[in-house]
Parts: sequence; structure tokens; C-alpha cells
Amino acid sequence: AQSVSQHNHHVILSEAASLELGCNYSYGGTVNLFWYVQYPGQHLQLLLKYFSGDPLVKGIKGFEAEFIKSKFSFNLRKPSVQWSDTAEYFCAVRGTYKYIFGTGTRLKVLA
Amino acid sequence: SAVISQKPSRDICQRGTSLTIQCQVDSQVTMMFWYRQQPGQSLTLIATANQGSEATYESGFVIDKFPISRPNLTFSTLTVSNMSPEDSSIYLCSVEKGGPDTQYFGPGTRLTVL
Repeated sequence: AQSVSQHNHHVILSEAASLELGCNYSYGGTVNLFWYVQYPGQHLQLLLKYFSGDPLVKGIKGFEAEFIKSKFSFNLRKPSVQWSDTAEYFCAVRGTYKYIFGTGTRLKVLA
Repeated sequence: SAVISQKPSRDICQRGTSLTIQCQVDSQVTMMFWYRQQPGQSLTLIATANQGSEATYESGFVIDKFPISRPNLTFSTLTVSNMSPEDSSIYLCSVEKGGPDTQYFGPGTRLTVL
């Protein structure tokens, strides 16, 4: 069955700490991978995406993610988080026509 | 880009009643999606709505419970019928615009069923 797993449900960090959020997927075909972010009171918005090519993709606000095909992973990273990064982060995979989302990770950054 | 609005933003409903959620997009789009986000769970696709054709429902979702209309390229409605407390959730509308992998989301409708 197609699925996306995010193992960190809640993460609390201090400002300037490094961030890595795990995402593993299970899908039998070619996938496109995404990270979405939802800031408090705002819509879900795209953070970054991977289709093909360089497995290290860079997104907005200093975020990046690395696609490791052998591990079926697409982890999100940021070297130094800010208080404004407090949000919920969703990993997603797009198959033939639909998206499958992970359960989300709530990140709280302490000032 | 696409700007999406949903009405209502939230509602509290009684068991056994129905609620229709509206989704309006600021530009014409082919595909619109309806998702449900239950507390502590991921977004789950309910159905895909293309203008001029019947909505395509995902496993576990049926038209009698979640009828969808798509009268034109900028508007869609999702009805949650004969509601029970288990239907309490956030319902999200989304569209693809600018390519098959560019998805925009509405603000969601927070539904509480008593």
C-alpha cells in the first residue's frame, strides 16, 4: 500500500539549532516528493519538491531536502532554525494522480 | 498561483444534519481535490472533482455520504451528509495550477459534530 511516514510528531528546538525531519515513503512507481508547511493560522504551502535530477533540493526560507532512493527517504533539513519556523510540516508523495500525505510534524522553535 | 477561499471557515453541527462546504478559486482550474484532516492524522484525499464529470472517490469514501458538485472551473462544493461526531474534522479544498505538481490549498473548514 502507498504510504508516507513521518516519525517525528512533535519537535521542540531552540533558535539556531539544526533541524532534520524524517520522511519515508512506500510507493511502487516513479514518485514526486514534496514538503509542505502550515504556519499558524495560514494555508498549507509548498516548501520544496523533488521530481528528478539532483537529489538535494533547496526550497524557500533556507530549507533543503535530500532524496535517498535506496532508503525511500526524503528528509527535510535546515542548518539553523528561527522562531518563525514554528509550524506544522507535511511530507507528501504524488503518484499517478493523487497525493499521499504524512501525519505531519509540529515544530516549535523557542526564542 | 491560485487563491482559494472556503465557506464556512468553521461550523458546529448536530448529529444527523448535513453541511455543504464551498470552495472558490480565483482562476479556472481543471482538477480540484477535497481532503479531510482528522485530529492527529494526515490529510486524506476524499475525492477528485473535474468539471463536467462525476467526482472520483477514494477508497472508504462514497458519494452518498460526501456528494460533490463541480458546476464550473472555479467552484466546487462538498456536502457532508447525515453527520456523526466521527465526521468532525478539517475539510480542505485544493487545486493544481501551473503544472501537475503544483498544488494550492484553501484555508480549510473546521467542522465539529455534536
